[in-house]
Amino acid sequence: DTAVSQTPKYLVTQMGNDKSIKCEQNLGHDTMYWYKQDSKKFLKIMFSYNNKELIINETVPNRFSPKSPDKAHLNLHINSLELGDSAVYFCASSQRGQGGQYFGPGTRLTVT
Amino acid sequence: TQLLEQSPQFLSIQEGENLTVYCNSSSVFSSLQWYRQEPGEGPVLLVTVVTGGEVKKLKRLTFQFGDARKDSSLHITAAQPGDTGLYLCAGTRAGSARQLTFGSGTQLTVLP
Repeated sequence: DTAVSQTPKYLVTQMGNDKSIKCEQNLGHDTMYWYKQDSKKFLKIMFSYNNKELIINETVPNRFSPKSPDKAHLNLHINSLELGDSAVYFCASSQRGQGGQYFGPGTRLTVT
Repeated sequence: TQLLEQSPQFLSIQEGENLTVYCNSSSVFSSLQWYRQEPGEGPVLLVTVVTGGEVKKLKRLTFQFGDARKDSSLHITAAQPGDTGLYLCAGTRAGSARQLTFGSGTQLTVLP
């Protein structure tokens, strides 16, 4: 009964490739998020999304795009990967009116 | 410049000692959350504080939200090796209830 799951756990790929990371939550939450955690452990919001609104952090390159097939899933597509994209990416979810976000286990992306 | 500054950045103490971690900002937050993250995992919510001056206790952990809602502290009494981890504060600002801004993190190591 994992609350928020992500696949894959590890992703190693070459520069220029396109890759996707999948996220699923079984908590019935109405909002999902993607975060990037850099080598200094700083967590930065990339996107927040519910069925009505997508909020994009203006610093995120347009090579990154979230895709939500339904309320329980929010996948992250990355085009033309660059070395600087190497990081740990976390998916999270929350419910309006309730405190706290629930995080997935993370996907460690390494671009070579 | 980070919106939420945490101090100290690193803390290494002996089992049984007390410690306090600080989370400071020049901005007002409508709520403040504390998370703990262990290696290879996502952050896990510990507590949410919403009222200025609010104090919450979770076993040996005491959380306080500043009167002006610009700062917060986490105090751990009689630290144990199991408390080891990365402690993150995160705030939500008025009008952006779904957007979490994370602090810079405090890496705590409790030595047996």
